[in-house]
Amino acid sequence: ETGVTQTPRHLVMGMTNKKSLKCEQHLGHNAMYWYKQSAKKPLELMFVYNFKEQTENNSVPSRFSPECPNSSHLFLHLHTLQPEDSALYLCASSQGGGDTDTQYFGPGTRLTVL
Amino acid sequence: GQNIDQPTEMTATEGAIVQINCTYQTSGFNGLFWYQQHAGEAPTFLSYNVLDGLEEKGRFSSFLSRSKGYSYLLLKELQMKDSASYLCAVKDSNYQLIWGAGTKLIIKP
Repeated sequence: ETGVTQTPRHLVMGMTNKKSLKCEQHLGHNAMYWYKQSAKKPLELMFVYNFKEQTENNSVPSRFSPECPNSSHLFLHLHTLQPEDSALYLCASSQGGGDTDTQYFGPGTRLTVL
Repeated sequence: GQNIDQPTEMTATEGAIVQINCTYQTSGFNGLFWYQQHAGEAPTFLSYNVLDGLEEKGRFSSFLSRSKGYSYLLLKELQMKDSASYLCAVKDSNYQLIWGAGTKLIIKP
């Protein structure tokens, strides 16, 4: 059973809506990640937080806004999205650092933008 | 640029053996990971290789050749529950994971 949970599991929103995705990890990890997974494409890293500080922002449009209030919780705030943003959004966590550092994933939020 | 290549889809028979290949070209190398992802579920960690050779874990084994930029995941005694996507990822010189697009494995009775 995964130690990383995500809510909601499914989300349908219009282009003018504002919504938030939530991720929580129960593994005592220090790093958390947001990924976008589109069909038949590699996972795209969006944001990385280490000890609540953002360390990566891979040229993600500003309509995606992350928030990490503590090491266990991560949010992705969504506003004015486009239909091409429809995808599976995965959260992951890891201890943070080093070559053997392994990421553990949540089940994802399936997002559909109409 | 950095690139991970793996076959898009493979089909195998229950009880058989299948090998899923992964080739990579990355700026630096700090280990290679294999993950399994069932449809609609989280990717789950399978194996990690940083030195050349074979790592065995029950029915699953993973092989690495750093000089060839090549790895494979070997699944033995295939079961229907092994039907899933298998993701290869390499940690580059910045310790960032570079992902392949995944191989969808279909198991037939």
